[in-house]
Amino acid sequence: NAGVTQTPKFRVLKTGQSMTLLCAQDMNHEYMYWYRQDPGMGLRLIHYSVGEGTTAKGEVPDGYNVSRLKKQNFLLGLESAAPSQTSVYFCASSYSGSSAKNIQYFGAGTRLSVL
Amino acid sequence: KQEVTQIPAALSVPEGENLVLNCSFTDSAIYNLQWFRQDPGKGLTSLLLIQSSQREQTSGRLNASLDKSSGRSTLYIAASQPGDSATYLCAVKITAGNKLTFGGGTRVLVKP
Repeated sequence: NAGVTQTPKFRVLKTGQSMTLLCAQDMNHEYMYWYRQDPGMGLRLIHYSVGEGTTAKGEVPDGYNVSRLKKQNFLLGLESAAPSQTSVYFCASSYSGSSAKNIQYFGAGTRLSVL
Repeated sequence: KQEVTQIPAALSVPEGENLVLNCSFTDSAIYNLQWFRQDPGKGLTSLLLIQSSQREQTSGRLNASLDKSSGRSTLYIAASQPGDSATYLCAVKITAGNKLTFGGGTRVLVKP
């Protein structure tokens, strides 16, 4: 079972470079999320999507853009990478986000270093 | 603003001992609370989800309790094993919106 797949797994960027992180899920989930994880700070929500063609800002959206052109894919873009964006990025997906029984399923993460 | 805290940040116990992990949150208006496990270099795996109307959930050696009025949840792992070594995170889903707010996690080491 593939579940939630993130590519790439690792990436090193120079300040000012751009890149796109891809998240794909095969569970027909409506909701998808992008988080970043920094040491000792838990996970913080960057952007999320409640369905194909829709996106919304999370807790720390600055410096990132997202797109959800297909239901199964959620892309996270960094237009001009900064050292403060060095982090581990996790994608997650779920059925309806409003259900009290909702569980989010996570990918394995992308480790990004910005030099 | 909802804040979630997990203390201690790290914990080491000998094999066989029961583990008690704590999670506290500031706003009691939650939909549910989840406990996750994260292995080094890996993603998060959901362990237990407690709905706001429930007081506990059990799965095998794991038991999670929820006390909304005091803003606390506790994850108990009975008879710990070296394979339980991981970071455990709790997260609350607030009533309004779809967001999960995470604690910083407790890193657990079970020594053989």
